[in-house]
Amino acid sequence: GENVEQHPSTLSVQEGDSAVIKCTYSDSASNYFPWYKQELGKRPQLIIDIRSNVGEKKDQRIAVTLNKTAKHFSLHITETQPEDSAVYFCAASRNDGTGGGADGLTFGKGTHLIIQP
Amino acid sequence: KAGVTQTPRYLIKTRGQQVTLSCSPISGHRSVSWYQQTPGQGLQFLFEYFSETQRNKGNFPGRFSGRQFSNSRSEMNVSTLELGDSALYLCASGLSGTYEQYFGPGTRLTVT
Repeated sequence: GENVEQHPSTLSVQEGDSAVIKCTYSDSASNYFPWYKQELGKRPQLIIDIRSNVGEKKDQRIAVTLNKTAKHFSLHITETQPEDSAVYFCAASRNDGTGGGADGLTFGKGTHLIIQP
Repeated sequence: KAGVTQTPRYLIKTRGQQVTLSCSPISGHRSVSWYQQTPGQGLQFLFEYFSETQRNKGNFPGRFSGRQFSNSRSEMNVSTLELGDSALYLCASGLSGTYEQYFGPGTRLTVT
């Protein structure tokens, strides 16, 4: 089955600086890579995603890049703000476009992002 | 449009008991997936239902089961509870023709 590795487990950056979180996956058949943000005591919130036919996607201060050959994808947050502090999870799946994964989302272990004032 | 809802939000059970958790997806979403979240194992896929059929199942024992109704609402059942079943159980729903999954607030299950 799929295996997703996520690094680092904790990331502390100064407010205004950029943050990068990296993930690798093992199953070359995975075609969908979402990122979720989870604040303490709250539900995981989808913040950005990318499909395997795209190399990069950007949404305001957040961007995701995908390298299918190397089987890794990264989340980039620019101009970090205090509200960016949370745990971020990457995930991978073989998605069939029916609103669910062919075999569910496989998540990384999470990165605790701390924004220092 | 209302988000994914789950009931109950908190539950305390004793070892050996069984429990049923409920998930109502976003209106129009036919896919419902269940995940277990623990500090040690992270987020793990349990199973996924689409149009009342279980399509996929993760690596969990048979004590974990589920079903989906014709209105896409889903229930998850855990029988013969063990201490290690203490976790946050999350469900997520998805819309046909899309890839995104949206999570509910979860049910916090504590087994004593």
